[in-house]
Amino acid sequence: NAGVMQNPRHLVRRRGQEARLRCSPMKGHSHVYWYRQLPEEGLKFMVYLQKENIIDESGMPKERFSAEFPKEGPSILRIQQVVRGDSAAYFCASSPQQGAPTNEKLFFGSGTQLSVL
Amino acid sequence: AQRVTQPEKLLSVFKGAPVELKCNYSYSGSPELFWYVQYSRQRLQLLLRHISRESIKGFTADLNKGETSFHLKKPFAQEEDSAMYYCALKTGANNLFFGTGTRLTVIP
Repeated sequence: NAGVMQNPRHLVRRRGQEARLRCSPMKGHSHVYWYRQLPEEGLKFMVYLQKENIIDESGMPKERFSAEFPKEGPSILRIQQVVRGDSAAYFCASSPQQGAPTNEKLFFGSGTQLSVL
Repeated sequence: AQRVTQPEKLLSVFKGAPVELKCNYSYSGSPELFWYVQYSRQRLQLLLRHISRESIKGFTADLNKGETSFHLKKPFAQEEDSAMYYCALKTGANNLFFGTGTRLTVIP
């Protein structure tokens, strides 16, 4: 099991471009979470998805950000018209399909470092 | 609103000395707290959960509801404990709310 895979590892974009960040959960995991870590800050929850469904997007900025987790393929975090303030490390985590909330463990990817020039 | 505070960004201790990484939280519901660790060049991973009352790699953490704290402790620090440590609070069904982290350096 290769673990949670994120790519690219580093992504450089100019202001106004689009950024696409990919996350392949661990095998057998159908729950995906995205977190953002701004410089000098802790990880902040963005969105929680199950296959083909957005369950909780309370942490997503209202504009320019979207996420999907299709039936086939990785989860995608998409940022349109990026601005300098979007520069951050974006982490994906996955969890097993079943499991009591008190036993839940999140398995994290290595993150994507987005730099907006 | 929920809040997780880790007051120390950096903490250095000598090998063999006791170590305590502080975490305070603010949450109106029943808290579930976790410690996550990120070793150099590795992924963020779960270290321990308060409900398990377990000791992992010699670390323990006790939830003190009166002081709203969940400090991480180890009686004798080892060099391999050097890492970034994050305290996290589970809020609702789906969300882990992280502190800003403490970088622990154990001096040989």
